[in-house]
Amino acid sequence: QKEVEQDPGPLSVPEGAIVSLNCTYSNSAFQYFMWYRQYSRKGPELLMYTYSSGNKEDGRFTAQVDKSSKYISLFIRDSQPSDSATYLCAARTLSGYSTLTFGKGTMLLVSP
Amino acid sequence: GAVVSQHPSWVICKSGTSVKIECRSLDFQATTMFWYRQFPKQSLMLMATSNEGSKATYEQGVEKDKFLINHASLTLSTLTVTSAHPEDSSFYICSASSGSGSNEQFFGPGTRLTVL
Repeated sequence: QKEVEQDPGPLSVPEGAIVSLNCTYSNSAFQYFMWYRQYSRKGPELLMYTYSSGNKEDGRFTAQVDKSSKYISLFIRDSQPSDSATYLCAARTLSGYSTLTFGKGTMLLVSP
Repeated sequence: GAVVSQHPSWVICKSGTSVKIECRSLDFQATTMFWYRQFPKQSLMLMATSNEGSKATYEQGVEKDKFLINHASLTLSTLTVTSAHPEDSSFYICSASSGSGSNEQFFGPGTRLTVL
């Protein structure tokens, strides 16, 4: 079992829809959780960053972590065609220089 | 925000040749740099971690003699793919961390390598 599991999609939604992207993880030592957005043939861009459990909101984006169920979510409100990209979840432990473990990424397509 | 650049953005080379990819942190000092490889529709796979002035730490299964990493300064790391073969064709992405606070990694735009 991979440490971070993510459905690759693609997930197709109409413009304006609420999008829910999810990951599960197996390593209980993970404390930091990130969501990255990656456009085709580009490097990942950090969207949201959460420490331990809880919610974090930034504009149209909300990240949610439930450590009891080892479940990570990213919600996008009022989705736009420009949100079409691959979204990668990632996690790492508390250790100072621990490495990131990425999910496979979910491709999101928002149609106008 | 912190900016990381990579050069070249894409490269095509013949089988058996060596290719060098540069990764630079433009507006911060990167104590640690990471090199990833990403195949189509796959996740980022960490190849190695390098700290300035010391030898890189390679992930299991990554040949250190084939993928030479040099982190000579706090703003520059290079990855050299030696004796490249078609199966080395991939998207290579670096990231850099200042090592302070959250240890956030900032990613470069990636380099697409095609080996003929």
